[in-house]
Amino acid sequence: DIQMTQSPSSLSASVGDRVTITCQASQDISKYLNWYQQKPGKAPKLLIYGASNLETGVPSRFSGGGSGTDFSFTISSLQPEDTATYYCQQCDNLYTFGQGTKLEIK
Amino acid sequence: EVQLVESGGGLVQPGGSLRLSCAASGFTSSRYWMHWVRQAPGKGLVWVSRIISDGVTTDYADSVKGRFTISRDNAKNTLYLQMNRLRSEDTAVYYCARENIVASPGAFDIWGQGTIVTVSS
Repeated sequence: DIQMTQSPSSLSASVGDRVTITCQASQDISKYLNWYQQKPGKAPKLLIYGASNLETGVPSRFSGGGSGTDFSFTISSLQPEDTATYYCQQCDNLYTFGQGTKLEIK
Repeated sequence: EVQLVESGGGLVQPGGSLRLSCAASGFTSSRYWMHWVRQAPGKGLVWVSRIISDGVTTDYADSVKGRFTISRDNAKNTLYLQMNRLRSEDTAVYYCARENIVASPGAFDIWGQGTIVTVSS
């Protein structure tokens, strides 16, 4: 099974800050990596697929990168509505989610 | 509007059974790979099962293999999850989700609102 390790598990940042979350796969998954946002009590929402492709309708301040085993997710200028938990997910061999990163606004 | 609506959750005793449903609207679900994902209280997302567009090929997480069965009724545009021999650790919100293998393979682009399953005596 492929394991996904996200870091940090939580972070607090200010409006306008640049925020980066990382995700490491236990083996090479090429670019089969997606990112989701989940707000409390809501279903997850797809933000990034194929490591770096922005889902339709998602603001351009969100971006993703990486390949192989190391991936990153960045919010270029944090907005109040970005408070949420973010998950990476590998889809190279079935599907595995990272443990999540809880993002709060200072 | 493209949407998924789950139903069938509830309280069940350990060892019992439950069948979840996921009704699709605004698209033909038989053309997509469909999934169940669960989230235990206060925990992260865990993939449970998928059924691909042929309606026959299925996969399961090890934790539910042999106890859960995923299926679909294309005439009703509905996905199901039959859950047998339920355990306390199956307590979670269960989401159905769509995988668009053409536009974004491997990614779940549409999610339902979730249905709560509680396994307790």
